[in-house]
Amino acid sequence: DTAVSQTPKYLVTQMGNDKSIKCEQNLGHDTMYWYKQDSKKFLKIMFSYNNKELIINETVPNRFSPKSPDKAHLNLHINSLELGDSAVYFCASSQGPTSGHDSQYFGPGTRLLVL
Amino acid sequence: AQSVTQPDIHITVSEGASLELRCNYSYGATPYLFWYVQSPGQGLQLLLKYFSGDTLVQGIKGFEAEFKRSQSSFNLRKPSVHWSDAAEYFCAVGDRFQKLVFGTGTRLLVSP
Repeated sequence: DTAVSQTPKYLVTQMGNDKSIKCEQNLGHDTMYWYKQDSKKFLKIMFSYNNKELIINETVPNRFSPKSPDKAHLNLHINSLELGDSAVYFCASSQGPTSGHDSQYFGPGTRLLVL
Repeated sequence: AQSVTQPDIHITVSEGASLELRCNYSYGATPYLFWYVQSPGQGLQLLLKYFSGDTLVQGIKGFEAEFKRSQSSFNLRKPSVHWSDAAEYFCAVGDRFQKLVFGTGTRLLVSP
């Protein structure tokens, strides 16, 4: 059973389009995250939600909007895609935020390429 | 705000040799420290973490790490490297809100 799953795995699209990436976790966790990994492998947190409530909202263009329909799902919608949005997007989940040391479990990633 | 430095971009180790990957962190409070591994085209897998107690932490796949507060370090070690250990390794520091800040990663190459 996949603990944290993302769809799609690959996404190739044109500049200016709107796209969504879906994430689901079956671990019963309360907190979910989105991370962006750029071409240099640098990983940076974008958002976190705890039980459908936004907790962390880093400096991310407002073209990116997370949506959490329930605590097992956290989707990422991106409007007006730009070349610089090309990256690998990782979803993660943890039990928290009861403490800062809860382990985060990562999904396999979605490779987004904007042409 | 917390930060992490991994000074080695890549390291090559012979199979069977010992390994140490360096990680230095900056954080004003008690740090929560993590090591993750990423194989090519894969997600991240947690190797181990430190948040309190014994400063020598054991993880999966035979890895261990030692927290040294005086040096602000959390180096990852393995006594004998296997070819399957070749991957990218990320050190991260977290705060009480579970915001993880990652280092830039160290790519481990294993030579036969």
